[in-house]
Amino acid sequence: NAGVTQTPKFQVLKTGQSMTLQCAQDMNHNSMYWYRQDPGMGLRLIYYSASEGTTDKGEVPNGYNVSRLNKREFSLRLESAAPSQTSVYFCASSVYRRGRNTEAFFGQGTRLTVV
Amino acid sequence: LAKTTQPISMDSYEGQEVNITCSHNNIATNDYITWYQQFPSQGPRFIIQGYKTKVTNEVASLFIPADRKSSTLSLPRVSLSDTAVYYCLLNQGGKLIFGQGTELSVKP
Repeated sequence: NAGVTQTPKFQVLKTGQSMTLQCAQDMNHNSMYWYRQDPGMGLRLIYYSASEGTTDKGEVPNGYNVSRLNKREFSLRLESAAPSQTSVYFCASSVYRRGRNTEAFFGQGTRLTVV
Repeated sequence: LAKTTQPISMDSYEGQEVNITCSHNNIATNDYITWYQQFPSQGPRFIIQGYKTKVTNEVASLFIPADRKSSTLSLPRVSLSDTAVYYCLLNQGGKLIFGQGTELSVKP
């Protein structure tokens, strides 16, 4: 049981390049999340998906797009990377049922540097 | 979205009980309160969740007063390995919104 798997673990991009961060969970969770965490800061929600085919903006969605094509996978795309997007990106999943989230599980993170 | 407020940092010594209080004045009627722990270079890890009164598990207790405008995470007899950042969250329509967290430093 792998839990939440993120790929890649590390990435260096040049300004203006694009890339997709992949996330997959094998716990049959309905909710999935993408966060970014800058040094010394808390996690900020980029996008949230309550179920397959649905997505919703979080606190800092600008510059990102997401795709939830199936229940297992939730990808985050940077169309034109900027140095301000240098951060650690975490994917998470949980079950949201009867008005509350159960325990959320997080991936190990993707360390992205934009130069 | 309702935000939570916690102390930025706390210091403790091994073997002491640590209480971290979180303020959430705008909590909604059906919001649950959840606490997570994060070690450096790792994703957060679930500690405990509650709605009212007291919840206890093998690692912590959560105290929630009747008005639910605050909550207190209690860590009994902390050790050096409890040094981490602790986050208090509310379930907000399914979204998990993190605040700044409390950086707990446990000293020998």
